[in-house]
Amino acid sequence: DTEVTQTPKHLVMGMTNKKSLKCEQHMGHRAMYWYKQKAKKPPELMFVYSYEKLSINESVPSRFSPECPNSSLLNLHLHALQPEDSALYLCASSQDLDRNTEAFFGQGTRLTVV
Amino acid sequence: AQKVTQAQTEISVVEKEDVTLDCVYETRDTTYYLFWYKQPPSGELVFLIRRNSFDEQNEISGRYSWNFQKSTSSFNFTITASQVVDSAVYFCALSDLRTSGTYKYIFGTGTRLKVLA
Repeated sequence: DTEVTQTPKHLVMGMTNKKSLKCEQHMGHRAMYWYKQKAKKPPELMFVYSYEKLSINESVPSRFSPECPNSSLLNLHLHALQPEDSALYLCASSQDLDRNTEAFFGQGTRLTVV
Repeated sequence: AQKVTQAQTEISVVEKEDVTLDCVYETRDTTYYLFWYKQPPSGELVFLIRRNSFDEQNEISGRYSWNFQKSTSSFNFTITASQVVDSAVYFCALSDLRTSGTYKYIFGTGTRLKVLA
C-alpha cells in the first residue's frame, strides 16, 4: 500500500466555522507533512511531524493547528480562516527526514473559505 | 541562496513529440539531492526521480530520461514520444538543509505540459 489518503476531497467553510482535514498512511513512514498550494504555484511547506512530534512549523498562523494522533494519522484543524486561505492542502509522508528521501503525496483537499 | 528555476511556464506539444523540461538550480552545498515530481490534474504529486550530486550518470526509465550536468547546474527531464497522459505540471526540487538540521524541498515554479492528441 503506497497511498496517502486525504479526506475530504473538497471542503467549503465559512470564516467562523471549525473544520478538520484528515490524512492517513500505512507505509510505516515516520515523517508526515502538510503543504499548502495556491493555484499555479508550487507547494509551500506548513508543518512537519517526525515520530509523531512537531518538527517544523513554517511560521503558520495559529488558525491552522496540526495534530498527529499516531504514526499513521495527521490532522489539520481549521478555525476562523480567511478567504485567502482557500487553496489545495496536500498531505505527504516519507520514510524519514533525510535529505535523500522521496515523499508520497495525497490528492489533497481543495478548501474554499467563504 | 538555494534556488530552483524552471523557466518554462507552459509547454504544448502534439502527441508523439519529444519534449524537454528544463531545471536550473543554485546551491551552496557540495552534497545535495535533486528531485522531479509530476502533478496530474487529480492533485497528488508523484515522485519520478531522485539524483544526488555525486552521480552524474544520466538515467532512463521507459520514455523518461534525465540529464544531470553539474557544470551548468542543470537537471533536465525529457519525455520521448509524449502521450496525452503525460499532461501535468512537473516540479523540479532541491533538498535544502535548514539551520535546524532538517531538510525541506525548494521547489521550482513548475512547468505545465499539455500534450495534444
